[in-house]
This record gives sequence, structure tokens and C-alpha cells, in this order.
Amino acid sequence: DARVTQTPRHKVTEMGQEVTMRCQPILGHNTVFWYRQTMMQGLELLAYFRNRAPLDDSGMPKDRFSAEMPDATLATLKIQPSEPRDSAVYFCASGPLPSDEQFFGPGTRLTVL
Amino acid sequence: SQKIEQNSEALNIQEGKTATLTCNYTNYSPAYLQWYRQDPGRGPVFLLLIRENEKEKRKERLKVTFDTTLKQSLFHVTASQPADSATYLCALDSGGYQKVTFGTGTKLQVIP
Repeated sequence: DARVTQTPRHKVTEMGQEVTMRCQPILGHNTVFWYRQTMMQGLELLAYFRNRAPLDDSGMPKDRFSAEMPDATLATLKIQPSEPRDSAVYFCASGPLPSDEQFFGPGTRLTVL
Repeated sequence: SQKIEQNSEALNIQEGKTATLTCNYTNYSPAYLQWYRQDPGRGPVFLLLIRENEKEKRKERLKVTFDTTLKQSLFHVTASQPADSATYLCALDSGGYQKVTFGTGTKLQVIP
């Protein structure tokens, strides 16, 4: 049963620290998405990749967030420096072409103190 | 400005009845619309996709309608069961490759 995996599942850190979240998309999926979910804003798209190339990162605060796909089996989202307002659940999702369906991972719950 | 509206209040319904959730949008021209289910502590799970040229789509006890004139989608759960209790999110095509924008979701509670 193919699934998107994310690590860590939970992260508590202090303001100013670097945070790295990792995602392993489903093998063979060409598109990878990063979302952030909060009670106030709901699910927001931060960035997404097609065949490892960034397609859109307009939802991401550029000064502190960065997203990469070093290879087809790994996507990373980094926050440096982290701030309390970054506290949220971060989801990775992947999707196969040509389908528009997205398969979500379990999320990383980030708390920045 | 662009807006996707789902009823933020929880919908409570008796087991066996049909639950109907709405998704209204403004300033979008989506080629398709999706519905996802999200359980507490989990990621959303894809349920159905309906395209702009389709009026209705069904999957088991689920039915989705899409009215591009009214700019509205309705999501029906027939013969609802307590296991259907979850938050349901609509997502609209946002004009990029597979890019969608999500509504904030409606929580459905099915009471035994």
C-alpha cells in the first residue's frame, strides 16, 4: 500500500532555530506539494514541484522558507530562522500524472516556542 | 478577490439521513473541483473530482454536483453513518498544473 511518508511527525523547537521537514513521495508520482494547515488559514499551498523542478513557490515566505527536491524520492522544506507564527501542521502530498488527485502524508506538527 | 466558502459551522445529522455540504466560490473559473475528507490528526484523503462539463458525479454513497453558473458545488452523503463523521474540504483548480486551492472545510458529525 503506497503512501507518502513524512518525518518528523512532531517537532518542538525554539524561535530562531532551523527546522527541516522531509517527505518521501509515492514512487512514480511526478508532482510533489508542500502545504501548511492552521485553524485560522486552513490548508495553504506553499510550493510544488513537477519532475523535481519547482513550479510555484509563491505561497512561501522567501526570506525564511526554502523547498527542494534533491532526488525523486526526497523533498525537503526548511525554515531558518523559525518563528512562533510558523507553528502549524505541514503536509506533503504527491500526485501522479496525468491525474489531478493528490495523496497526502500524515503531516509534521511544528511548534515554535 | 478570490474566495472559497464552506460552512464553518459543524453539520450535525442523524444516522441514515442525507448530509449535504456546500462549497461556494467567487472570482474563480475552475476547470475542475475536488472533495477531500480529513480525519483529526491525519492528512486529507481524496474522494471525488468533478470537471466543469460534468453536472454530477457519484461514488458509492457520495454524490457531487457542480454548477458553474451558481459557482457552487454540493457534496451529498446518502444513508450517512457515524463513520462518515469527518471534516470535508473542497478544492478548486487554481489555474496551474494540478494546483488547487482548498476551502476551510466543514465538519460533519453523524449522530447514531
